[in-house]
Amino acid sequence: AQTVTQSQPEMSVQEAETVTLSCTYDTSESDYYLFWYKQPPSRQMILVIRQEAYKQQNATENRFSVNFQKAAKSFSLKISDSQLGDAAMYFCAYRSSRGGSYIPTFGRGTSLIVHP
Amino acid sequence: SAVISQKPSRDICQRGTSLTIQCQVDSQVTMMFWYRQQPGQSLTLIATANQGSEATYESGFVIDKFPISRPNLTFSTLTVSNMSPEDSSIYLCSGGAGERDGYTFGSGTRLTVV
Repeated sequence: AQTVTQSQPEMSVQEAETVTLSCTYDTSESDYYLFWYKQPPSRQMILVIRQEAYKQQNATENRFSVNFQKAAKSFSLKISDSQLGDAAMYFCAYRSSRGGSYIPTFGRGTSLIVHP
Repeated sequence: SAVISQKPSRDICQRGTSLTIQCQVDSQVTMMFWYRQQPGQSLTLIATANQGSEATYESGFVIDKFPISRPNLTFSTLTVSNMSPEDSSIYLCSGGAGERDGYTFGSGTRLTVV
């Protein structure tokens, strides 16, 4: 079974600075998808960024980018120019690309605090 | 991406009663899931809602306690039956249409059982 590990229960960053959230996963598959979700206090889970395992290029969405290291099974999220609105719980998730195995596996989450 | 409307957003219920949570998706989605989440914690999958057939439950969750319906590809309900204070939690539905899609989530239902 796949597992997703987020080893940082909490991280903090100063506004306008950069922070990196770590995520590692364990799988025997070669093709899969990885995601980062943001959950602010309002509870709404929002997809931040996705990465297909077959793509070597790291995904980028505005201030959010990932460092995908397939061999190391690592998928970290970098937030640049942090804003107060980035404060939230961040969840890393894995999903198989095999047919019939679409249930995502979530990490335990990292709480990001942004200091003004 | 699909947009999911979930209701109610919160409720306070008496023990022994039941609550039905609804999720309406603005487009057809292949997969729908129901989760439970304690504040500040990760998501625990309750079940996969299957269109036109019985839901597939995860270990520790049973149909009698959490009956789920999914009559079509845009709608699903979760009922929390015979509630006790231990059922107090946030319940979330989630859905997705395609392989590479990240799943979309409803806004969650905060349930308090007294």
